[in-house]
Amino acid sequence: EAQVTQNPRYLITVTGKKLTVTCSQNMNHEYMSWYRQDPGLGLRQIYYSMNVEVTDKGDVPEGYKVSRKEKRNFPLILESPSPNQTSLYFCASSLELTDTYEQYFGPGTRLTVT
Amino acid sequence: AQSVAQPEDQVNVAEGNPLTVKCTYSVSGNPYLFWYVQYPNRGLQFLLKYITGDNLVKGSYGFEAEFNKSQTSFHLKKPSALVSDSALYFCAVRQYGNKLVFGAGTILRVKS
Repeated sequence: EAQVTQNPRYLITVTGKKLTVTCSQNMNHEYMSWYRQDPGLGLRQIYYSMNVEVTDKGDVPEGYKVSRKEKRNFPLILESPSPNQTSLYFCASSLELTDTYEQYFGPGTRLTVT
Repeated sequence: AQSVAQPEDQVNVAEGNPLTVKCTYSVSGNPYLFWYVQYPNRGLQFLLKYITGDNLVKGSYGFEAEFNKSQTSFHLKKPSALVSDSALYFCAVRQYGNKLVFGAGTILRVKS
């Protein structure tokens, strides 16, 4: 089954404790992206990757890191989480970096930072 | 910068009635517009997109959207709502690269 998977689905952590949210897609997609969803704000892009070893900042990259060492994986790293990073996070992938391809979303990771 | 606006936080409709979820856009150049749906505890699912061509776009689950250039709108519609259509709906516009800019979302509640 073609899908985007994320782990963990739920995470409660404390301020400053490094964490990683994994994202993997099995569709051989070149383009991957991370979004955060906050009430009333819709989804905002954190980082994106056009291909292996190619990443760039989105609209809200502060406090986050990413890497793209393999085509299928695109982990999101919070080196020192803070309470304002409490949010719902989505990973997405798309076939190519072109205008017309829709993005496929993972199930989401709900992160709480206390 | 490209943007979309969803003027309604929530839309309520009775089952069997037609539904409309509104979206307006602001873009420079040709707009590439999308609708996504999010069911509780699930990720976003693609519904439909407008790239070019016919102004009426048909998508998944019986949904369609009408692109109106003069009104800069891309409203989502369905002729007969189902209770199972109740969800959070997002309109989005493509910005540079493959980045999507999302609206704030509209909750659709269909009552039986």
